[in-house]
Amino acid sequence: EAQVTQNPRYLITVTGKKLTVTCSQNMNHEYMSWYRQDPGLGLRQIYYSMNVEVTDKGDVPEGYKVSRKEKRNFPLILESPSPNQTSLYFCASSLSEGLNTGELFFGEGSRLTVL
Amino acid sequence: GESVGLHLPTLSVQEGDNSIINCAYSNSASDYFIWYKQESGKGPQFIIDIRSNMDKRQGQRVTVLLNKTVKHLSLQIAATQPGDSAVYFCAEIHYKLTFGKGTLLTVNP
Repeated sequence: EAQVTQNPRYLITVTGKKLTVTCSQNMNHEYMSWYRQDPGLGLRQIYYSMNVEVTDKGDVPEGYKVSRKEKRNFPLILESPSPNQTSLYFCASSLSEGLNTGELFFGEGSRLTVL
Repeated sequence: GESVGLHLPTLSVQEGDNSIINCAYSNSASDYFIWYKQESGKGPQFIIDIRSNMDKRQGQRVTVLLNKTVKHLSLQIAATQPGDSAVYFCAEIHYKLTFGKGTLLTVNP
């Protein structure tokens, strides 16, 4: 089954404790992206990747890092999480750049709480 | 600046009725628009898209209308069912994908 898998789905952590949210897709997609979703603000892009070893900042990259060493994986790293990073995070992938088809495939989301 | 928004944050309809969800966009250069559905606890799902050279596109029970003159997009759902209850949001593309904030559709039995 074609899917985007995120882990963990739920996480409560404390300020400053490094964490990684993994994202994996099994569709051989070139384009992958991370979003955060906050009430009243909608989906905002954190980082995206057009292909292996190619990553770029989205609209809200501060406090996050990503890597794209393999085509299928695109982990999101919070080196020193802060409470304002409490949010619902989504990973998404698309066959091409994603901007020609619009058909982004989203993961189920990872709800992160930073105390 | 660029923005994508929705006219109504919530919409409640009776099962079997038609639903219309609206979206306004501000970037006249946007050339591609998408509607997504997000059910509770899940990630957004692609519903239907439309390019700027079209004014209407139909899918299964859904129709998207694009009015470039007033920069307005709408999603029509025919014979709304309880399974249609979700947040719907539009997105526009002009070099990047920009999402609207969403409308919560509630279908009453």
